[in-house]
Amino acid sequence: EPEVTQTPSHQVTQMGQEVILRCVPISNHLYFYWYRQILGQKVEFLVSFYNNEISEKSEIFDDQFSVERPDGSNFTLKIRSTKLEDSAMYFCASRDTGLYQPQHFGDGTRLSIL
Amino acid sequence: AQSVTQLGSHVSVSEGALVLLRCNYSSSVPPYLFWYVQYPNQGLQLLLKYTSAATLVKGINGFEAEFKKSETSFHLTKPSAHMSDAAEYFCAVSDRFTGFQKLVFGTGTRLLVSP
Repeated sequence: EPEVTQTPSHQVTQMGQEVILRCVPISNHLYFYWYRQILGQKVEFLVSFYNNEISEKSEIFDDQFSVERPDGSNFTLKIRSTKLEDSAMYFCASRDTGLYQPQHFGDGTRLSIL
Repeated sequence: AQSVTQLGSHVSVSEGALVLLRCNYSSSVPPYLFWYVQYPNQGLQLLLKYTSAATLVKGINGFEAEFKKSETSFHLTKPSAHMSDAAEYFCAVSDRFTGFQKLVFGTGTRLLVSP
């Protein structure tokens, strides 16, 4: 069964450094999402992406965050200058076209900011 | 704004007992509803979804959920728990009228299964 894959599984970064989290969505999916889960808290929506542009973003997704689909397969989340509070599990998801299609999630990247 | 409330951060059952995980939603429009499961160190796996067809939805691993509009509920059940069901379960809601359909998650319920 097709999967969403995320790399790396764990990223450790110094505060203030840039980090890029990578995702390969399921190949025929057109809708892409990033979510995050701070330890012990609920999964929160960050951003959705369709047709090479952001379709919706949350208040969390400020100017420090950006997303990109640099080629036909990858979908990336960049945090420009990381803060301690960015430490979380970041999940990528993708969805096929159609209103009834569910989102399929990757296994996540655990981001630890030191 | 849409929201989901999951009652009980932890639910403990014995193997073979009924599993009941509660979810109530708040939405001004008919929603899509989902249950996802998260095993340790893994991502979110879809258990089942409600999209306005049958109100009783069957999912994977013997789980099912019933949409009750009058109670704004979408509780998850399984007749007989297995040890392998121990995981965290998330209820989520999505607005069917927006094309991009972000998910709004509940706080999750950790299911503990004892022998």
